[in-house]
Amino acid sequence: ETGVTQSPTHLIKTRGQQVTLRCSSQSGHNTVSWYQQALGQGPQFIFQYYREEENGRGNFPPRFSGLQFPNYSSELNVNALELDDSALYLCASSPGGLAYNEQFFGPGTRLTVL
Amino acid sequence: LAKTTQPISMDSYEGQEVNITCSHNNIATNDYITWYQQFPSQGPRFIIQGYKTKVTNEVASLFIPADRKSSTLSLPRVSLSDTAVYYCLVGDPFSGNTPLVFGKGTRLSVIA
Repeated sequence: ETGVTQSPTHLIKTRGQQVTLRCSSQSGHNTVSWYQQALGQGPQFIFQYYREEENGRGNFPPRFSGLQFPNYSSELNVNALELDDSALYLCASSPGGLAYNEQFFGPGTRLTVL
Repeated sequence: LAKTTQPISMDSYEGQEVNITCSHNNIATNDYITWYQQFPSQGPRFIIQGYKTKVTNEVASLFIPADRKSSTLSLPRVSLSDTAVYYCLVGDPFSGNTPLVFGKGTRLSVIA
């Protein structure tokens, strides 16, 4: 059974650019959630996708958007990057649309915005 | 959403039992308590979840008093590899739109 994978591992962008991060969920999981984790802080919920539909969103601006594909993999897109977007972006998958069931996290993508 | 309060950091020697307490005074009737562990440069990992009294698995025990306003994660005989950040979360596992809400967690340092 393959766990949650994310790509790329690291990424450096400049302010104003756009970025796409990718996540492959664990086999059999139809729910993917994305989190942003700044240095020294806990992960902050961005949004969740359940069966290709957005199923909840945290306090993030519309320039953070996402997609979930029929195979339940997912993308996080961030437009007009700002310096404060520098963080570890985590993807988590679970077998149902219920957040407080056990979630399986990937290793994250470290984004640096210069 | 229930807010949790945990110590910012704790130190322990190898082989000792470590107890991390979490306060959640406003926990709702349907909320469960869940703990995650996070190593540097990795995603969090689910450790244990419970509703009341005591839950034990191969990694840890979770103690929840009757009023459920606090909980204690107990790690038996810690080793250096238990050095990590531990997060306490509360939420309803049967409510689809309730997101996981992480605080800053407790940074546990295990010393040889």
